[in-house]
Amino acid sequence: DQQVKQNSPSLSVQEGRISILNCDYTNSMFDYFLWYKKYPAEGPTFLISISSIKDKNEDGRFTVFLNKSAKHLSLHIVPSQPGDSAVYFCAATGGSQGNLIFGKGTKLSVKP
Amino acid sequence: EPEVTQTPSHQVTQMGQEVILRCVPISNHLYFYWYRQILGQKVEFLVSFYNNEISEKSEIFDDQFSVERPDGSNFTLKIRSTKLEDSAMYFCATHGSREKETQYFGPGTRLLVL
Repeated sequence: DQQVKQNSPSLSVQEGRISILNCDYTNSMFDYFLWYKKYPAEGPTFLISISSIKDKNEDGRFTVFLNKSAKHLSLHIVPSQPGDSAVYFCAATGGSQGNLIFGKGTKLSVKP
Repeated sequence: EPEVTQTPSHQVTQMGQEVILRCVPISNHLYFYWYRQILGQKVEFLVSFYNNEISEKSEIFDDQFSVERPDGSNFTLKIRSTKLEDSAMYFCATHGSREKETQYFGPGTRLLVL
């Protein structure tokens, strides 16, 4: 049972354009959402998070949007850079549990 | 910038052997987690640890697994009798004093069970 879904296994974007990574969740108890970036053979690196009391959070080139009614969040990267090429994981937590539930990840390739 | 560190970076072991994976959390962090990622699969939660005891564990975390903070700084994951299917990247993650906070991950230990 996938509580956090990233339906696009890969995404290819031209340098300078916007990258949009999507994530859906099923558990209405989730109230805190995070995006992590991961390179092969390294640990996930925190990018940005959003609490369920907000619908947008912005940090530099990264913006996360949360649509609670649709149980959907997205990560926008603009402008995309070749160094952004990595696997991006959406994660969620909520209720009495502190552990993170991860999606399967989306591999982003930014081409020069 | 403070980091979570993990040792060893790689470990190869024979099936049935015991392994201990070590993590040094960011100082003043109070919540500790172990996750694993089998090759090609998603990151999965194993166990969380707070106030010197397990607070949550997943179905994966069976009797072969244990965690402890032996010296108040290191946080260890022990697998008593490794199986082939234990081969994975194991990540330690920690966060500070509030229940809902960003978890910061270590670089991982790649465990290969032969």
